[in-house]
Amino acid sequence: KAGVTQTPRYLIKTRGQQVTLSCSPISGHRSVSWYQQTPGQGLQFLFEYFSETQRNKGNFPGRFSGRQFSNSRSEMNVSTLELGDSALYLCASSLDADAYGYTFGSGTRLTVV
Amino acid sequence: AQSVTQLGSHVSVSEGALVLLRCNYSSSVPPYLFWYVQYPNQGLQLLLKYTSAATLVKGINGFEAEFKKSETSFHLTKPSAHMSDAAEYFCAVIPGGGGNKLTFGTGTQLKVEL
Repeated sequence: KAGVTQTPRYLIKTRGQQVTLSCSPISGHRSVSWYQQTPGQGLQFLFEYFSETQRNKGNFPGRFSGRQFSNSRSEMNVSTLELGDSALYLCASSLDADAYGYTFGSGTRLTVV
Repeated sequence: AQSVTQLGSHVSVSEGALVLLRCNYSSSVPPYLFWYVQYPNQGLQLLLKYTSAATLVKGINGFEAEFKKSETSFHLTKPSAHMSDAAEYFCAVIPGGGGNKLTFGTGTQLKVEL
């Protein structure tokens, strides 16, 4: 069974641009969560979607947004990129709306120059 | 707020030696606790989780952890380290009663030496 797929794996963007990251969950999983990992701040929760609804949001500025489609695939968008947005963005999916059964993807490494 | 503290950002052991990675949690109610491992340029892989069943939890790759309420600890151990265990390890918590948001510790980088 396929795991959580994140695309692209690597991305380089310029300050001020916007970026969209994609996450395809494990088949049948309805919950998708996003985390940001940086050397300075560690792993931080961005948001969680369940059945196309955002159920929880972390403490990030409004430049960070996301959505989930009817097939449970999710995208996150970061507008007006800043150097500090350089990070590994991890997506995790679970069957239901809880974190007990999280499976993480390999992440998208975003570099902002 | 629920949180976890990992003592020691870097731990070094010899191959074949005991691995002990420390994690303490702060919680007013019994939490759900997790250990994840991350290899370079990879995502997080679940090693084991405690969800209020048995206090001694066995995970993959020979790792285990014991939930000690009196010490608010959930330390990760492995009797004999292998070179392939070199990675970063994260302890994480969600509040008792469930939820959908993991709060992670700052991570412990494990180095295994010959």
